[in-house]
Amino acid sequence: RKEVEQDPGPFNVPEGATVAFNCTYSNSASQSFFWYRQDCRKEPKLLMSVYSSGNEDGRFTAQLNRASQYISLLIRDSKLSDSATYLCVVNRKATGFQKLVFGTGTRLLVSP
Amino acid sequence: GAGVSQSPRYKVAKRGQDVALRCDPISGHVSLFWYQQALGQGPEFLTYFQNEAQLDKSGLPSDRFFAERPEGSVSTLKIQRTQQEDSAVYLCASSLEGPRPQHFGDGTRLSIL
Repeated sequence: RKEVEQDPGPFNVPEGATVAFNCTYSNSASQSFFWYRQDCRKEPKLLMSVYSSGNEDGRFTAQLNRASQYISLLIRDSKLSDSATYLCVVNRKATGFQKLVFGTGTRLLVSP
Repeated sequence: GAGVSQSPRYKVAKRGQDVALRCDPISGHVSLFWYQQALGQGPEFLTYFQNEAQLDKSGLPSDRFFAERPEGSVSTLKIQRTQQEDSAVYLCASSLEGPRPQHFGDGTRLSIL
């Protein structure tokens, strides 16, 4: 079983739709949590951090449930430019540094 | 801007050849990471440097993989006697010291024939 699990998708949604991605992690020692975005043949880029209290950045809302070891990302009013792969990432402390552990990613396709 | 720079962008090699991949981190970034990303998968941690010290190499798949950062800036990932399963995108990331965001390079897409 992978340490970070995501539904690979693809999620096909029309412009303007609301879409939600979920992710679970197995290591309870995980300390911090992120969503990264990766466009085709490009590098991963930090989208947002995820906090226990939940946090919002424009059309994007992230939630963390430590008890259930569950992370979510909600995208409202989807745009064509939101089409990408969304990587769920946990950051757990290794010896002397913070190690990022990535999920396989969830692919989102937003169509006109 | 001066982000993380990786070269070459693409590399094709025959099985059994040795390859060397270069990473130029952001100036002043103490921490440097290498990741391997297979098709359809997320990046997988390979190794970590703090300045010139390689503090963790637990993710290196075999002893054919070797990484160095001799002067604490540029890093090279070397793969000896390449195999087809080494085909992947190799990503380098750098960050300031401590739990800071990692900045990724564009990666080197390695294809082994």
